[in-house]
Amino acid sequence: AQSVTQPDIHITVSEGASLELRCNYSYGATPYLFWYVQSPGQGLQLLLKYFSGDTLVQGIKGFEAEFKRSQSSFNLRKPSVHWSDAAEYFCAVGASQGSGGGADGLTFGKGTHLIIQP
Amino acid sequence: KAGVTQTPRYLIKTRGQQVTLSCSPISGHRSVSWYQQTPGQGLQFLFEYFSETQRNKGNFPGRFSGRQFSNSRSEMNVSTLELGDSALYLCASSLAKIAGDTDTQYFGPGTRLTVL
Repeated sequence: AQSVTQPDIHITVSEGASLELRCNYSYGATPYLFWYVQSPGQGLQLLLKYFSGDTLVQGIKGFEAEFKRSQSSFNLRKPSVHWSDAAEYFCAVGASQGSGGGADGLTFGKGTHLIIQP
Repeated sequence: KAGVTQTPRYLIKTRGQQVTLSCSPISGHRSVSWYQQTPGQGLQFLFEYFSETQRNKGNFPGRFSGRQFSNSRSEMNVSTLELGDSALYLCASSLAKIAGDTDTQYFGPGTRLTVL
C-alpha cells in the first residue's frame, strides 16, 4: 500500500526567508506526486506535480519540488516566502500511469501547517 | 473553464438523518473522486466514479454511497449520520481518459458537514 509522510506538523518561517517542506513516500513503482495547498475553509489548490522526466518541477506561486528516487522524497521549496503563503500544505501520491491504480485515489500526508512571521 | 463546484457549502444535520452532497466536475472531466477531511484522520479517499461506474471505494462503511450521472455530475449520500461524520467533504475531478487512469485531480471548495 502506498503512504506519504510529512514529518513536520508545523513550520514557522520569517517573511522573506527560504522554505523547504519535507515529503517522503512509499510506493512500489515510480509514483505520481503532487503538492497541494489549502487555505482555511477552502478546498485544495494544486501547486505542482511530478509524473516523469525532469526531477525538478516548477509550480505556481514560485514553488518548486525535487523528486529524489533514492531517498523516496519529494520536498517542496520556495526561495522567499510571503505572508500570503501561510496555509496548510499537503503532499500526495497517486498510482503511476498504466497501473490501473488511478481509481484508488490519492494518498495524502497529514499536512504541514506553515506559519509566516513578520 | 469553471472549476469544480460543490453544493451546498455548509450543512448542519442531526444524528440519524441522511444527507446528499453534490459535485459538478470541470467540463470534459469524466472521473470524479470524493474525499473526507477531518482533523484526526486527515484526507481519506471515499470513492471514485468514471463514466457512471464506481471504480473503487475506500475503507468506509456502507452508509457512505454515491453515484455519477451521464453528465459526470456526482452525488454522495451518507445515511444514518453519526457525530463522527462531521467533516469537510471534498470532490475532485480529473481528465483521466480511461477507467483506472491517473491524472491530476482538481478539487472543489468542499462541503462542510456538521452533525449534531
